[in-house]
Amino acid sequence: DVKVTQSSRYLVKRTGEKVFLECVQDMDHENMFWYRQDPGLGLRLIYFSYDVKMKEKGDIPEGYSVSREKKERFSLILESASTNQTSMYLCASTSGGFWTEAFFGQGTRLTVV
Amino acid sequence: DQQVKQNSPSLSVQEGRISILNCDYTNSMFDYFLWYKKYPAEGPTFLISISSIKDKNEDGRFTVFLNKSAKHLSLHIVPSQPGDSAVYFCAAQHRNTGNQFYFGTGTSLTVIP
Repeated sequence: DVKVTQSSRYLVKRTGEKVFLECVQDMDHENMFWYRQDPGLGLRLIYFSYDVKMKEKGDIPEGYSVSREKKERFSLILESASTNQTSMYLCASTSGGFWTEAFFGQGTRLTVV
Repeated sequence: DQQVKQNSPSLSVQEGRISILNCDYTNSMFDYFLWYKKYPAEGPTFLISISSIKDKNEDGRFTVFLNKSAKHLSLHIVPSQPGDSAVYFCAAQHRNTGNQFYFGTGTSLTVIP
């Protein structure tokens, strides 16, 4: 079974802090994604990566950056956390190619106070 | 610009009856569609998919129908069970950029015992 693991289930951070969300997958997948889920807005893509050291902006990249130094690990960085970044963050991975499903981690509920 | 739309934010169904969740899309270049199920505080889990060369795919109690001319897909759950109560997201992949998923806003299904 593919496993996508996010480092924290719940996080509480203060406004202005630098926040790191970590995601690790164990199936040698090429593609990794970061989404945020908010009520009424669904899943919105923040960034994705299709290879080590490669990244692409998604729909809402402002205020975020990412790092992919190893194939299995994809990190989301909030440079200076703000209250409007309070959300559920979801990491996903897929193998390369078409017509494949995405496997999600369990999510990180981030609260910025 | 929401390319995948789920116009019903919520749906309530009696146990044992049919649940029908709907999804519309605007991009004719989408050719692979997926349904995900999400419980609170967990990541989405893959449910069922369909490619554009089919108009129906069935897996146990779950059936997905695709109407390409109407750019519409639906998920049927028969019979509905209380454990099906969750948020359901439809997602689409683009023919040329299969790496990326486009998600709808979700429909919250409640199955009443």
